[in-house]
Amino acid sequence: EIVMTQSPATLSVSPGERATLSCRASQSVSSNLAWYQQKPGQAPRLLIYGASTRATGIPARFSGSGSGTEFTLTISSLQSEDFAVYYCQQYNNWRWTFGQGTKVEIK
Amino acid sequence: EVQLVESGGGLVQPGGSLRLSCAASGFTFSSYEMNWVRQAPGKGLEWVSYISSSGSTIYYADSVKGRFTISRDNAKNSLYLQMNSLRAEDTAVYYCARRKYFQHWGQGTLVTVSS
Repeated sequence: EIVMTQSPATLSVSPGERATLSCRASQSVSSNLAWYQQKPGQAPRLLIYGASTRATGIPARFSGSGSGTEFTLTISSLQSEDFAVYYCQQYNNWRWTFGQGTKVEIK
Repeated sequence: EVQLVESGGGLVQPGGSLRLSCAASGFTFSSYEMNWVRQAPGKGLEWVSYISSSGSTIYYADSVKGRFTISRDNAKNSLYLQMNSLRAEDTAVYYCARRKYFQHWGQGTLVTVSS
């Protein structure tokens, strides 16, 4: 099983600032990496797939990068609606696995 | 508009069974692989099971293998999860989700395993 490790566990950011979230895979997942946003009481929402392709309707302030084992989600200028938990997920190996999540909170 | 609507959750005793359903609309269901993903209260996301568009390929997480069965009825645009020998640790919100990267999600259905 591929283990996905996200850092940091919690990120405190002021509105308007940049947020950088990391995700590391225990072995290469090529570019088969997705990012999700989840707000309390809601289902997760797909943000990024293929490591860097924004899903339909996702604002341009969200961007993804990386390949192999190291990945980054960047939110260029945090808006109030962006404070949430973010998960990465690999789909390279059929045992799809998630990271444990990064909570982005208001500083 | 893509819609996925789960149903069938509820309270069940340890060792009991439950069948979840996911009704799909707004897309050609028979063309898409589907998954079940769960989230225990206050915890992260855990992939549970996958089924290919035709139903010919099926995978399970080790935590549910031998106890859960995924299936689909393309004529009814529906996905199912038969859950047997339920344990307390199966308590979670269960989501159906489309594709290997989970492009669309339902709202989830809560399964509580408790005596």
